[in-house]
Amino acid sequence: KAGVTQTPRYLIKTRGQQVTLSCSPISGHRSVSWYQQTPGQGLQFLFEYFSETQRNKGNFPGRFSGRQFSNSRSEMNVSTLELGDSALYLCASSLGGGAHAGELFFGEGSRLTVL
Amino acid sequence: GNSVTQMEGPVTLSEEAFLTINCTYTATGYPSLFWYVQYPGEGLQLLLKATKADDKGSNKGFEATYRKETTSFHLEKGSVQVSDSAVYFCALSEGGGSNYKLTFGKGTLLTVNP
Repeated sequence: KAGVTQTPRYLIKTRGQQVTLSCSPISGHRSVSWYQQTPGQGLQFLFEYFSETQRNKGNFPGRFSGRQFSNSRSEMNVSTLELGDSALYLCASSLGGGAHAGELFFGEGSRLTVL
Repeated sequence: GNSVTQMEGPVTLSEEAFLTINCTYTATGYPSLFWYVQYPGEGLQLLLKATKADDKGSNKGFEATYRKETTSFHLEKGSVQVSDSAVYFCALSEGGGSNYKLTFGKGTLLTVNP
């Protein structure tokens, strides 16, 4: 069974540009969430989608947005990039609630460098 | 809001030593608690979980017990191996409609030397 796939794995952008990151969840998983990982702040929750609807959102500015498609694949977009947006962006998919609540399967991440 | 505090690393041990990584949390309600592990160059993997007070999660020789009275979820292993070298994250989920919003600790880097 294929794991969570994130593309691209590495990218370099300059300030003011925008970026789109993609995530393909494990087959059958309908929930996709995104996290930002930095050395200083650690792992911070960005947002979570389920069946194309955003259910939860973290404390990030409106420059950070996302969406989910009918096949559960998800994208996140960051506009007007700032140096502080340099981070590893992790996508995680989940089977669902009940006994599996909180059990996330993470991809390897997309490492964004903003120059 | 919810928060997770775990001991700062790095932690360096010799093979077969006993491991403890402390984790305490602040939360409203009754969160579920998790330990995730991140091996070099990889994404996070769920190591173990506990969903209610006094539950013990265990996997691959690691254990952690959900202690509501001390709001703690310390990770232990009796005999570590070189292959256990990784970053360990303690986390909680708020439950209900926020099951997928995990709050993570800062992570503890463990290095095990042969």
